Amino acid sequence: DAGITQSPRHKVTETGTPVTLRCHQTENHRYMYWYRQDPGHGLRLIHYSYGVKDTDKGEVSDGYSVSRSKTEDFLLTLESATSSQTSVYFCAISEGGLYGYTFGSGTRLTVV
Amino acid sequence: AQTVTQSQPEMSVQEAETVTLSCTYDTSESDYYLFWYKQPPSRQMILVIRQEAYKQQNATENRFSVNFQKAAKSFSLKISDSQLGDAAMYFCAYRRKSSGDKLTFGTGTRLAVRP
Repeated sequence: DAGITQSPRHKVTETGTPVTLRCHQTENHRYMYWYRQDPGHGLRLIHYSYGVKDTDKGEVSDGYSVSRSKTEDFLLTLESATSSQTSVYFCAISEGGLYGYTFGSGTRLTVV
Repeated sequence: AQTVTQSQPEMSVQEAETVTLSCTYDTSESDYYLFWYKQPPSRQMILVIRQEAYKQQNATENRFSVNFQKAAKSFSLKISDSQLGDAAMYFCAYRRKSSGDKLTFGTGTRLAVRP
Protein backbone atom coordinates (compact mmCIF):
# COMPACT_ATOMS: atom_id res chain seq x y z
CA ASP A 1 0.00 0.00 0.00
CA ALA A 2 1.34 3.40 -0.96
CA GLY A 3 0.78 4.91 2.51
CA ILE A 4 2.88 2.39 4.42
CA THR A 5 6.23 0.85 3.65
CA GLN A 6 8.27 -1.78 5.42
CA SER A 7 11.96 -2.40 5.11
CA PRO A 8 13.68 -4.63 4.40
CA ARG A 9 11.40 -6.96 2.45
CA HIS A 10 13.64 -9.95 3.07
CA LYS A 11 16.43 -10.53 5.57
CA VAL A 12 18.60 -13.44 6.61
CA THR A 13 20.48 -13.05 9.85
CA GLU A 14 22.48 -15.18 12.25
CA THR A 15 21.38 -16.33 15.68
CA GLY A 16 22.36 -13.88 18.37
CA THR A 17 22.56 -10.79 16.18
CA PRO A 18 20.34 -7.73 16.66
CA VAL A 19 17.85 -6.95 13.91
CA THR A 20 15.72 -3.87 13.34
CA LEU A 21 12.72 -3.75 11.04
CA ARG A 22 11.32 -0.41 9.97
CA CYS A 23 7.78 0.68 9.28
CA HIS A 24 7.12 4.08 7.73
CA GLN A 25 3.73 5.67 7.07
CA THR A 26 2.68 8.78 5.22
CA GLU A 27 -0.97 8.72 6.39
CA ASN A 28 -0.46 10.40 9.78
CA HIS A 29 -2.44 7.61 11.46
CA ARG A 30 -2.32 7.48 15.22
CA TYR A 31 -2.19 3.70 15.63
CA MET A 32 0.63 1.44 14.46
CA TYR A 33 1.14 -2.27 15.02
CA TRP A 34 3.64 -5.06 14.54
CA TYR A 35 2.39 -8.60 13.91
CA ARG A 36 4.11 -11.84 13.07
CA GLN A 37 2.56 -14.46 10.81
CA ASP A 38 3.31 -18.14 11.24
CA PRO A 39 1.58 -21.17 9.71
CA GLY A 40 -1.22 -22.41 11.91
CA HIS A 41 -1.17 -19.28 14.07
CA GLY A 42 -2.51 -16.57 11.84
CA LEU A 43 -1.28 -13.10 12.75
CA ARG A 44 -0.25 -12.46 16.32
CA LEU A 45 0.31 -9.05 17.82
CA ILE A 46 3.85 -8.27 18.99
CA HIS A 47 3.68 -4.59 19.98
CA TYR A 48 1.54 -1.60 19.19
CA SER A 49 1.60 2.16 19.50
CA TYR A 50 -1.05 4.77 20.14
CA GLY A 51 1.24 7.68 19.40
CA VAL A 52 4.76 9.04 19.71
CA LYS A 53 6.57 7.34 22.60
CA ASP A 54 3.34 5.55 23.56
CA THR A 55 3.77 1.82 23.03
CA ASP A 56 2.53 -1.37 24.64
CA LYS A 57 3.03 -5.11 24.48
CA GLY A 58 0.98 -7.56 22.52
CA GLU A 59 0.53 -11.29 23.06
CA VAL A 60 3.96 -12.39 21.76
CA SER A 61 6.26 -9.57 22.85
CA ASP A 62 9.06 -11.58 24.49
CA GLY A 63 12.36 -10.98 22.70
CA TYR A 64 11.09 -7.87 20.90
CA SER A 65 11.20 -4.16 21.59
CA VAL A 66 9.78 -1.19 19.71
CA SER A 67 10.26 2.52 19.43
CA ARG A 68 8.21 5.34 17.98
CA SER A 69 10.01 8.66 18.11
CA LYS A 70 8.03 10.14 15.21
CA THR A 71 4.44 9.66 14.13
CA GLU A 72 5.51 8.18 10.82
CA ASP A 73 8.07 5.62 12.01
CA PHE A 74 7.64 2.49 14.11
CA LEU A 75 10.70 0.32 14.61
CA LEU A 76 10.73 -3.30 15.72
CA THR A 77 13.97 -4.65 17.22
CA LEU A 78 14.96 -8.19 17.91
CA GLU A 79 17.66 -7.71 20.52
CA SER A 80 19.27 -11.12 19.94
CA ALA A 81 17.64 -13.06 17.13
CA THR A 82 16.68 -16.69 17.67
CA SER A 83 15.49 -19.34 15.22
CA SER A 84 12.00 -19.16 16.75
CA GLN A 85 11.78 -15.60 15.45
CA THR A 86 11.97 -16.77 11.86
CA SER A 87 8.67 -15.46 10.53
CA VAL A 88 6.93 -12.98 8.31
CA TYR A 89 6.50 -9.64 10.04
CA PHE A 90 3.75 -7.21 9.18
CA CYS A 91 3.36 -3.62 10.14
CA ALA A 92 -0.11 -2.07 10.08
CA ILE A 93 -1.63 1.36 10.58
CA SER A 94 -5.13 2.39 11.52
CA GLU A 95 -7.38 5.38 12.01
CA GLY A 96 -9.41 3.26 14.39
CA GLY A 97 -12.98 2.04 14.43
CA LEU A 98 -14.49 0.48 11.35
CA TYR A 99 -11.58 1.48 9.12
CA GLY A 100 -9.65 -1.66 9.92
CA TYR A 101 -5.96 -1.81 9.21
CA THR A 102 -3.78 -0.94 6.26
CA PHE A 103 -0.89 -3.37 6.08
CA GLY A 104 2.63 -3.07 4.83
CA SER A 105 3.93 -5.64 2.39
CA GLY A 106 5.67 -7.68 5.10
CA THR A 107 9.23 -8.65 5.92
CA ARG A 108 10.34 -12.24 5.65
CA LEU A 109 12.98 -12.77 8.32
CA THR A 110 15.06 -15.92 8.47
CA VAL A 111 17.29 -16.55 11.47
CA VAL A 112 19.96 -19.19 10.80
CA ALA B 1 -9.25 -12.35 25.98
CA GLN B 2 -11.10 -12.42 22.72
CA THR B 3 -10.54 -15.40 20.46
CA VAL B 4 -11.35 -15.93 16.81
CA THR B 5 -11.74 -19.44 15.42
CA GLN B 6 -11.58 -20.51 11.81
CA SER B 7 -12.25 -24.23 11.84
CA GLN B 8 -11.55 -24.85 8.15
CA PRO B 9 -7.80 -24.78 7.46
CA GLU B 10 -8.41 -25.44 3.75
CA MET B 11 -11.34 -25.14 1.39
CA SER B 12 -11.79 -25.74 -2.31
CA VAL B 13 -14.36 -24.41 -4.76
CA GLN B 14 -15.06 -24.83 -8.44
CA GLU B 15 -14.75 -21.69 -10.51
CA ALA B 16 -18.11 -19.86 -10.79
CA GLU B 17 -19.50 -21.71 -7.76
CA THR B 18 -20.25 -20.33 -4.30
CA VAL B 19 -18.24 -21.06 -1.18
CA THR B 20 -18.70 -20.13 2.48
CA LEU B 21 -15.86 -19.70 4.94
CA SER B 22 -16.67 -20.04 8.63
CA CYS B 23 -15.61 -17.88 11.51
CA THR B 24 -16.68 -17.84 15.14
CA TYR B 25 -15.50 -15.57 17.91
CA ASP B 26 -15.72 -15.28 21.62
CA THR B 27 -16.46 -11.99 23.32
CA SER B 28 -18.42 -10.51 26.20
CA GLU B 29 -18.73 -7.16 24.43
CA SER B 30 -21.98 -6.01 22.85
CA ASP B 31 -20.49 -3.66 20.29
CA TYR B 32 -17.50 -4.46 18.14
CA TYR B 33 -16.23 -4.76 14.58
CA LEU B 34 -15.58 -7.81 12.44
CA PHE B 35 -13.45 -8.05 9.32
CA TRP B 36 -12.40 -10.45 6.61
CA TYR B 37 -8.96 -10.05 5.07
CA LYS B 38 -7.61 -11.76 1.97
CA GLN B 39 -3.95 -12.66 1.56
CA PRO B 40 -3.03 -13.79 -1.97
CA PRO B 41 0.36 -15.38 -2.77
CA SER B 42 1.82 -11.87 -3.05
CA ARG B 43 1.55 -11.76 0.76
CA GLN B 44 -0.32 -8.46 0.72
CA MET B 45 -3.18 -8.21 3.25
CA ILE B 46 -6.33 -6.88 1.61
CA LEU B 47 -9.50 -5.85 3.45
CA VAL B 48 -12.44 -7.67 1.89
CA ILE B 49 -15.42 -6.73 4.02
CA ARG B 50 -16.31 -5.35 7.44
CA GLN B 51 -19.28 -5.39 9.78
CA GLU B 52 -20.37 -3.38 12.80
CA ALA B 53 -21.95 -5.58 15.43
CA TYR B 54 -24.85 -3.26 16.20
CA LYS B 55 -25.93 -3.28 12.56
CA GLN B 56 -28.17 -6.25 11.92
CA GLN B 57 -27.94 -5.97 8.15
CA ASN B 58 -25.28 -8.19 6.65
CA ALA B 59 -22.49 -6.39 4.83
CA THR B 60 -22.02 -6.94 1.09
CA GLU B 61 -19.21 -5.98 -1.26
CA ASN B 62 -19.84 -7.11 -4.82
CA ARG B 63 -19.43 -10.92 -4.85
CA PHE B 64 -18.53 -11.02 -1.16
CA SER B 65 -21.14 -11.08 1.57
CA VAL B 66 -21.29 -12.07 5.21
CA ASN B 67 -23.75 -13.96 7.35
CA PHE B 68 -23.51 -12.28 10.73
CA GLN B 69 -25.22 -14.15 13.55
CA LYS B 70 -24.59 -12.09 16.66
CA ALA B 71 -26.22 -14.43 19.15
CA ALA B 72 -24.27 -17.38 17.80
CA LYS B 73 -21.09 -15.26 17.53
CA SER B 74 -20.66 -16.35 13.96
CA PHE B 75 -19.35 -14.32 11.02
CA SER B 76 -19.11 -16.37 7.83
CA LEU B 77 -17.93 -15.11 4.45
CA LYS B 78 -19.72 -16.10 1.27
CA ILE B 79 -17.98 -15.75 -2.06
CA SER B 80 -20.29 -15.98 -5.05
CA ASP B 81 -19.27 -16.72 -8.63
CA SER B 82 -15.78 -17.71 -7.49
CA GLN B 83 -12.90 -16.62 -9.68
CA LEU B 84 -9.34 -17.88 -9.99
CA GLY B 85 -8.16 -14.64 -8.42
CA ASP B 86 -10.07 -15.47 -5.25
CA ALA B 87 -7.54 -18.17 -4.41
CA ALA B 88 -5.86 -16.94 -1.25
CA MET B 89 -5.64 -17.24 2.50
CA TYR B 90 -8.60 -15.62 4.23
CA PHE B 91 -8.45 -14.28 7.76
CA CYS B 92 -11.33 -13.37 10.00
CA ALA B 93 -10.60 -10.64 12.56
CA TYR B 94 -12.28 -9.02 15.53
CA ARG B 95 -11.84 -5.63 17.16
CA ARG B 96 -13.48 -4.42 20.34
CA LYS B 97 -15.03 -1.02 19.90
CA SER B 98 -13.84 0.11 23.29
CA SER B 99 -10.31 -1.17 23.05
CA GLY B 100 -7.12 0.32 21.71
CA ASP B 101 -8.05 -0.80 18.26
CA LYS B 102 -6.12 -4.05 18.25
CA LEU B 103 -7.29 -6.66 15.79
CA THR B 104 -7.43 -10.30 16.87
CA PHE B 105 -7.08 -12.70 13.95
CA GLY B 106 -8.15 -16.25 13.33
CA THR B 107 -5.68 -18.81 12.03
CA GLY B 108 -6.90 -18.48 8.46
CA THR B 109 -8.54 -20.58 5.75
CA ARG B 110 -6.69 -21.33 2.55
CA LEU B 111 -9.07 -21.25 -0.40
CA ALA B 112 -8.24 -23.03 -3.63
CA VAL B 113 -10.25 -22.34 -6.79
CA ARG B 114 -10.46 -25.17 -9.34
CA PRO B 115 -10.72 -24.15 -13.01
